[in-house]
Formats: sequence, structure tokens, C-alpha cells
Amino acid sequence: GMPVEQNPPALSLYEGADSGLRCNFSTTMKSVQWFQQNHRGRLITLFYLAQGTKENGRLKSTFNSKERYSTLHIKDAQLEDSGTYFCAAEAPNTDKVVFGTGTRLQVSP
Amino acid sequence: GPKVLQIPSHQIIDMGQMVTLNCDPVSNHLYFYWYKQILGQQMEFLVNFYNGKVMEKSKLFKDQFSVERPDGSYFTLKIQPTALEDSAVYFCASSNRGQGNTLYFGEGSRLIVV
Repeated sequence: GMPVEQNPPALSLYEGADSGLRCNFSTTMKSVQWFQQNHRGRLITLFYLAQGTKENGRLKSTFNSKERYSTLHIKDAQLEDSGTYFCAAEAPNTDKVVFGTGTRLQVSP
Repeated sequence: GPKVLQIPSHQIIDMGQMVTLNCDPVSNHLYFYWYKQILGQQMEFLVNFYNGKVMEKSKLFKDQFSVERPDGSYFTLKIQPTALEDSAVYFCASSNRGQGNTLYFGEGSRLIVV
């Protein structure tokens, strides 16, 4: 199967709502990054984690290598949060960074 | 933050012609990557490059593809000859493993093969 599975594939939220995205890994990964791809196609780095939890404003991400998952939590969703969110993970013994399939987020007023 | 520049931002090319996509990575970075994204789809790993050599490549990195970084200048992806299915946005990334393998991406080069 896919080394990085991401869900949900699509998500609709109203402004002010909270929600979470998840990536499951087929193996133990060394690190994970989360990106937002905006409507212009630009990739914005949100987080890099080798372990644990990081928080930045309304966003929080957790990476548990042993349990093979990472999450991205969005609090108080805003219109500008709309876009496609990707996780990308680095497997051990490789220099490859593999992307998940993405979650398309639409935030409505 | 650190910036990766990609040139051109978009290009239209006739099938069978050669194209070179250029990437100016973050200045102290030593690891370089190319990814391919067909509109609305997943980011697909193509290749990574370190110390003048390809480290790993995927099945998408066909024989018509090549990468190089001559004398610390642009990191380039060359496709020769191009095919219709090469139409996509190509993203370059660079990293410096001394700070964890955080990838910094350019804004992409949109290639349309007609």
C-alpha cells in the first residue's frame, strides 16, 4: 500500500470551527513535514517534526514515529486556511521524502 | 525565510523538444529534490541529488530526465525529448540536513507540452 496515507481526502468547515487531519505511515518514519498548498499552487511550510508536538498560532501538529502517525489540528478555522494540506515523511535509510495524498480543505463563511 | 527560486515559472513547449527547468536553492543547502505535480493531484517524488550525484530516483524519473548542478550554479532538471505526459508543475526543494531534513520548496515551474 501507500507509504503515506492521508485522511480525510476533503474537508469542509465553517469559519470558527476546529478540525484535524491525519497521516498514517506504513513504516516508522524519521520525520514529517506539513504543508499548505494555496490556490496559486504555492507550498507553504507549516511544521517540521522529528518527534513530539509543535504549535504555531491556530495550528498544532503531533508526530508519533512509533505509532506511525502524524496529525495537524486547525483551531478557529479562517477563510485563508482553505487549500490543500499535505504531509510529507522521510523514511529511515533513505533520502526520499514522500508526500501524502493531501486533504482539500474548504472554509466557508 | 529561506527562499528557493525557480525559473521559468511557466513554459509551453512542443512535444519532442528539450526543456531545462532551473532551480536556485537556498545558499547553504546541499541536498536537492525535484517533485512533479499534475494539476490537483499528489506531489510525486522524482529524484534527489547530493554531492554531484543522484541519490535516489523514482519510476517517474524516466531515461529522458536528467539532473545536474554544474559548479554550484542552478540545480537543473532537463527533459529531452518531452512527451505530452510530462505536462505538470515541477517543484524544486532544497535542504540542509544539519538542521533536520526540512525541505524548502520553490514556487514551481508549470510545464505544458503540446
